[in-house]
Amino acid sequence: AQSVTQLDSQVPVFEEAPVELRCNYSSSVSVYLFWYVQYPNQGLQLLLKYLSGSTLVKGINGFEAEFNKSQTSFHLRKPSVHISDTAEYFCAVRESSSNTGKLIFGQGTTLQVKP
Amino acid sequence: DADVTQTPRNRITKTGKRIMLECSQTKGHDRMYWYRQDPGLGLQLIYYSFDVKDINKGEISDGYSVSRQAQAKFSLSLESAIPNQTALYFCATSATGSSYNEQFFGPGTRLTVL
Repeated sequence: AQSVTQLDSQVPVFEEAPVELRCNYSSSVSVYLFWYVQYPNQGLQLLLKYLSGSTLVKGINGFEAEFNKSQTSFHLRKPSVHISDTAEYFCAVRESSSNTGKLIFGQGTTLQVKP
Repeated sequence: DADVTQTPRNRITKTGKRIMLECSQTKGHDRMYWYRQDPGLGLQLIYYSFDVKDINKGEISDGYSVSRQAQAKFSLSLESAIPNQTALYFCATSATGSSYNEQFFGPGTRLTVL
């Protein structure tokens, strides 16, 4: 079974500052990793994904994440945040060989960008 | 983009009432999912369906039932609502055969059980 832990429930940051949202996962098998964003009153939208290959993956809106297999982490970063990045962010994992496509989500991290 | 729609968007009901939440999609996907979101818990899978005749329980199916009326429609029912079912409910879809079964989410239904 897989599990996901997002280490921070809330991350306040000033506009134009860099940000890192932390995600650790646990799994005994190979996994795919995802970051989703939920803007206020909206559904979840895929930010980026790691399937295989390069451990540094780039997503939409200037976000990137690095897969670290030895530390079982998949932290999300952005070098300079904007007010519009204020949202809730979810890390998710699924077993790469699974046919079901079931996602296991972390608890979520609320990013609060202040002017 | 209204590819995955959910109705109603908000609902307040009383304990013991039967409630149905509906999900429709125009993406042509065969797989559909129902999740609930609670603060501090992320999203948890309630039920999922791979086609009209294939319905499976997720992590937290107790107290819920589903119906896949057509490939494009997947309804979630609470037979007798209770206050701890107050949550945000999301429907999602994905396509069999896509490289990683990316799930596309609806806008959510906020349900309050008094």
